[in-house]
Amino acid sequence: KAGVTQTPRYLIKTRGQQVTLSCSPISGHRSVSWYQQTPGQGLQFLFEYFSETQRNKGNFPGRFSGRQFSNSRSEMNVSTLELGDSALYLCASSTQGVSAFFGQGTRLTVV
Amino acid sequence: DAKTTQPTSMDCAEGRAANLPCNHSTISGNEYVYWYRQIHSQGPQYIIHGLKNNETNEMASLIITEDRKSSTLILPHATLRDTAVYYCIGDISNFGNEKLTFGTGTRLTIIP
Repeated sequence: KAGVTQTPRYLIKTRGQQVTLSCSPISGHRSVSWYQQTPGQGLQFLFEYFSETQRNKGNFPGRFSGRQFSNSRSEMNVSTLELGDSALYLCASSTQGVSAFFGQGTRLTVV
Repeated sequence: DAKTTQPTSMDCAEGRAANLPCNHSTISGNEYVYWYRQIHSQGPQYIIHGLKNNETNEMASLIITEDRKSSTLILPHATLRDTAVYYCIGDISNFGNEKLTFGTGTRLTIIP
């Protein structure tokens, strides 16, 4: 059974640009959650999607957005990148009766 | 979600049992205690969870005090591959962890 797949694994962007990260959940999992991990703030919840609808949202500015497709794949977008957005972005998929499974993450560097 | 408190770091000798404590004095009656770990440069991995009773699986054992204000994760025979950051989390979901609140965790180092 394939795990959670995140692409790309590494990304370098310039301040002011925007970026889109992708997450393919485990087959059959309908919930996809996104997290940001930085040395200073640790692991922080961004948002969660279930059946193409945002169901939970963390405390992040509107520059961070996401969406989920009918096949449960999810994307997150960060617009107008700032240096502080440099982080490891993790995606997790889950379903009722199963714990969260995390992907390897996308390491974003903003220069 | 309950606020959890864990020691910043711990060492354990290889082959010994690693006992990781967690305080969660504000945990509510319907919140489960979850443990995840994160090995360097990887995503977090689920270990075990429990509500009131002690739990054991192939990875670890979880001991929850009767008043549910604290718990201990036990890795019975620690190996070098158990070196990781361990997170104790309170969550109301009995699986289906859609929104996890991670604290700072305990950095466990297994010493050869």
